[in-house]
Amino acid sequence: EIVLTQSPGTLSLSPGERATLSCRASQSVSSSYLAWYQQKPGQAPRLLIYGASSRATGIPDRFSGSGSGTDFTLTISRLEAEDFAVYYCQQYGSSPAVTFGGGTKVEI
Amino acid sequence: QVQLQESGPGLVKPSETLSLTCTISGGSISSYYWSWIRQSPGKGLEWIGYIYYSGSTNYNPSLKSRVTISFDTSKNQFSLKLSSVTAADTAVYYCARVSSQYSHDYWAQGTLVTVSS
Repeated sequence: EIVLTQSPGTLSLSPGERATLSCRASQSVSSSYLAWYQQKPGQAPRLLIYGASSRATGIPDRFSGSGSGTDFTLTISRLEAEDFAVYYCQQYGSSPAVTFGGGTKVEI
Repeated sequence: QVQLQESGPGLVKPSETLSLTCTISGGSISSYYWSWIRQSPGKGLEWIGYIYYSGSTNYNPSLKSRVTISFDTSKNQFSLKLSSVTAADTAVYYCARVSSQYSHDYWAQGTLVTVSS
């Protein structure tokens, strides 16, 4: 099973600052199959990034993804008030076919 | 615009079977995988399994012995059955569409299922 470890657990930042979130895999993940989601309280997750670096439809360009192998990063270039949320990475690959990281909370 | 809506009981007794249905509207079910994912209170996301429109399935090994996902194409619905539930199965259950490179692009709003006598 590929385990995804996200760090930090909590990121305390201010609006306008840059956020860098890490997702580390226990085994190599195809960059084609790494996605990032944003979840706000009481809401379903929203797809931000797929294929490690492609933005989903309607996602602002302040969100960007990068990485390969076992190390992936989600960057929010300038935080806006609505970006404070929990972020999850997800991989597709070996059994189980889909796994999620434990999440990073971005708070003010 | 694709929309997904879950339905089913919000309370299930221990040892019984949890049953949920996801109704798909606004888009075709063809050529996509469709997932069930759950989130225990205050916890992260756990993938339960997915079904392809052809009917083939793939389950999380940790739940495989208790899970069945099936399709009713005539109703544009797919369903989850989880047997022998315990309190550990209490969670918000989501259905979602699997899209580009196995990401999940459309999600239902989630339904809380509580396992309690």
